[in-house]
Amino acid sequence: KAGVTQTPRYLIKTRGQQVTLSCSPISGHRSVSWYQQTPGQGLQFLFEYFSETQRNKGNFPGRFSGRQFSNSRSEMNVSTLELGDSALYLCASSGREGSYNEQFFGPGTRLTVL
Amino acid sequence: AQTVTQSQPEMSVQEAETVTLSCTYDTSENNYYLFWYKQPPSRQMILVIRQEAYKQQNATENRFSVNFQKAAKSFSLKISDSQLGDTAMYFCAFMKPRQNTGNQFYFGTGTSLTVIP
Repeated sequence: KAGVTQTPRYLIKTRGQQVTLSCSPISGHRSVSWYQQTPGQGLQFLFEYFSETQRNKGNFPGRFSGRQFSNSRSEMNVSTLELGDSALYLCASSGREGSYNEQFFGPGTRLTVL
Repeated sequence: AQTVTQSQPEMSVQEAETVTLSCTYDTSENNYYLFWYKQPPSRQMILVIRQEAYKQQNATENRFSVNFQKAAKSFSLKISDSQLGDTAMYFCAFMKPRQNTGNQFYFGTGTSLTVIP
């Protein structure tokens, strides 16, 4: 079974621009979560999508948004980029509900904002 | 909200020795899951070990084992016979299962472990 894939792997943008990151979950997984990883902050939860609906949202400004398509692929968008948005953005998918639900992570997209 | 604390930002261990990484969490829930994830340098995050809170027996996966103290809300990871490939960032995570509203994970800030040859 193919793992979680994320594109692009690396991205360099300038302040004020907007960016879209993509995540393809493991086949059959309907839940996709997004995290921002920065040194010293660990993984900060952005949001989670399930069957094209956002079910949970972390404490991030409205510049961060996402969506999920019918094939469970998900995109994350960040508008009006700031220097502090530089981070590794991780996507994770999971399959079962209600019980222990291991998250499988993608390799991440390294975003650098100049 | 649940919080997960990893109080050791960096640790090192000699190859073949044993090391213990600490994790504490704060929750009022009774049914939950705990995980340790490993993120090697420039590589993908992978699951190391999981523990169901309702199980009293500590989970073990080969050289990796946990010391789960539910009353103390402590969940430490012990790595025995450390190998160079164990060098990585280790994250402790808490998860409360929810049938219809998604299983949200809470992660600690990580412990960077270096295995010294």
